Amino acid sequence: GAGVSQSPSNKVTEKGKDVELRCDPISGHTALYWYRQSLGQGLEFLIYFQGNSAPDKSGLPSDRFSAERTGGSVSTLTIQRTQQEDSAVYLCASRDDRGNSPLHFGNGTRLTVT
Amino acid sequence: SQKIEQNSEALNIQEGKTATLTCNYTNYSPAYLQWYRQDPGRGPVFLLLIRENEKEKRKERLKVTFDTTLKQSLFHITASQPADSATYLCALENQAGTALIFGKGTTLSVSS
Repeated sequence: GAGVSQSPSNKVTEKGKDVELRCDPISGHTALYWYRQSLGQGLEFLIYFQGNSAPDKSGLPSDRFSAERTGGSVSTLTIQRTQQEDSAVYLCASRDDRGNSPLHFGNGTRLTVT
Repeated sequence: SQKIEQNSEALNIQEGKTATLTCNYTNYSPAYLQWYRQDPGRGPVFLLLIRENEKEKRKERLKVTFDTTLKQSLFHITASQPADSATYLCALENQAGTALIFGKGTTLSVSS
């Protein structure tokens, strides 16, 4: 079946603009995650959704970052007033409800803030 | 808070040799640990999961060990091939059970 889909694959934006990144998880996966990967850095956890709720948003770096999920499916990560340090690859992952189940990642959105 | 360390940022080996990658963790006793592979420009792909009560897990040329006393997992690729060249990430669940926390990864290069 289809994997996790992210769009756009690349986004270049000017400092100060808002951006929206989209994630379509695998159908039926109730858990959805956003991560950020900067050059030479590991995967940094941002937020976790279970259904449409976000029990853990502790990784969001500032109040410029927000995310929502609707219909237990598509999720949008919004970054307001982008800064150059926001430049990174934003990865989305989903998994099913079984304990220990692996994460299925999309190929990410590469965000460049100029 | 939990900390995961993958000792080597880069590992270069000859084709046919065994690659051994190390993952150490602190401040936590996870119920399981996972290993992922990441190729440039792609998201990580799940490889293996090992539970705390399992000493070793194998899948084709891959072998993972889990030593809960040493708080360490070793990831082995036997008879390595150039196609095994990638970044390998270990991950464990945070204490809240809400997310997987990843190490920074080890980039393996297998030369022919």
